[in-house]
Amino acid sequence: SQKIEQNSEALNIQEGKTATLTCNYTNYSPAYLQWYRQDPGRGPVFLLLIRENEKEKRKERLKVTFDTTLKQSLFHITASQPADSATYLCALTGGGNKLTFGTGTQLKVEL
Amino acid sequence: GAVVSQHPSRVICKSGTSVKIECRSLDFQATTMFWYRQFPKQSLMLMATSNEGSKATYEQGVEKDKFLINHASLTLSTLTVTSAHPEDSSFYICSATTGGEYNEQFFGPGTRLTVL
Repeated sequence: SQKIEQNSEALNIQEGKTATLTCNYTNYSPAYLQWYRQDPGRGPVFLLLIRENEKEKRKERLKVTFDTTLKQSLFHITASQPADSATYLCALTGGGNKLTFGTGTQLKVEL
Repeated sequence: GAVVSQHPSRVICKSGTSVKIECRSLDFQATTMFWYRQFPKQSLMLMATSNEGSKATYEQGVEKDKFLINHASLTLSTLTVTSAHPEDSSFYICSATTGGEYNEQFFGPGTRLTVL
């Protein structure tokens, strides 16, 4: 069966460090992969999209990698700030325009 | 741009009543809208896909007679939870897409439904 796995344990890091979140998937051949941020009690906010033929994508302090051989995407936040604390979700398109989300990883950036 | 609103943001109702949630794309026309449900500490689960002027497509296990979806225009979709029960209490989120190359979805702020 298709599965998208994100580390369910919260990730605690110190301000200024780089946060790295992982998204692994099985039984998918996604054309592209997306990362979203979700704050408590709010809807997800789109961050980055990376296509299957792209290895890496950057946007300001964010970087996403996509390894279709390993079936894995890594999401990096450099120079992390307390305001980056949130839950980060990866999402794949299994077919058509439907998105399937991972369970998300909660990030806490401490002073 | 690409703002999606939902109304109400919170609703508390008695068991057996029906609740309507509105989803609007404020500054763009949405070819497709999606309805998700999210339980605490869990991911978003797609309930149904809605296209303007046609019947919604429901995901497996979602009762179409319980969760009525109407997509009256390119900027408005409504979800009605009929005869709500406590197990329907959840966070309901809609999203909208313009159907561009990557079908990027723009999400609403969500509606917290509590059924007593």
